[in-house]
Amino acid sequence: KQEVTQIPAALSVPEGENLVLNCSFTDSAIYNLQWFRQDPGKGLTSLLLIQSSQREQTSGRLNASLDKSSGRSTLYIAASQPGDSATYLCAGLSGGYQKVTFGIGTKLQVIP
Amino acid sequence: GAVVSQHPSRVICKSGTSVKIECRSLDFQATTMFWYRQFPKQSLMLMATSNEGSKATYEQGVEKDKFLINHASLTLSTLTVTSAHPEDSSFYICSAVRVTPYEQYFGPGTRLTVT
Repeated sequence: KQEVTQIPAALSVPEGENLVLNCSFTDSAIYNLQWFRQDPGKGLTSLLLIQSSQREQTSGRLNASLDKSSGRSTLYIAASQPGDSATYLCAGLSGGYQKVTFGIGTKLQVIP
Repeated sequence: GAVVSQHPSRVICKSGTSVKIECRSLDFQATTMFWYRQFPKQSLMLMATSNEGSKATYEQGVEKDKFLINHASLTLSTLTVTSAHPEDSSFYICSAVRVTPYEQYFGPGTRLTVT
């Protein structure tokens, strides 16, 4: 059974700082890994999706990496802004390409 | 990217009543949709897999008679919470599967409050 863990649970940084969010998963037979953003009381916004054959994906100030052998993924946010404040979720797709398992998320606060 | 909508976005109902939530894939056909539930400060948990034209598959611990799922077309799945109770208050999110390339697209969610 896939388990997804995110560390830290919460993070507070000053504006402009670069930061890394961590995600680990137990089942290396992962089809893809996806990072989402969730604002309070809102749904999910997909940020980056990394296929199992890929090692990283980039979009603007965001870079996500995937290391299947170690069961880890990281989300790097460069030059953080107050608008980046949200909860960031990672989710792994495995189990015959059907089961998505979510981490509990990292709550990020970027202080102006 | 592909778009998945949910309706309603928020609903408040009285205990004992039933509530229907719709999930639509707007620009692709989805033979498979998923329903998730998120309690405060917890992760999204898969409730059930909805397959077009067949019965839904429920995860362990999810009551199939309480959470009725109907996937009547390739673009619409509905979740009906029957005889709702305050403990059913939660955030419900659906996703629709696009096969080629394989990806799940998530809806914006429905906030259910049972009073």
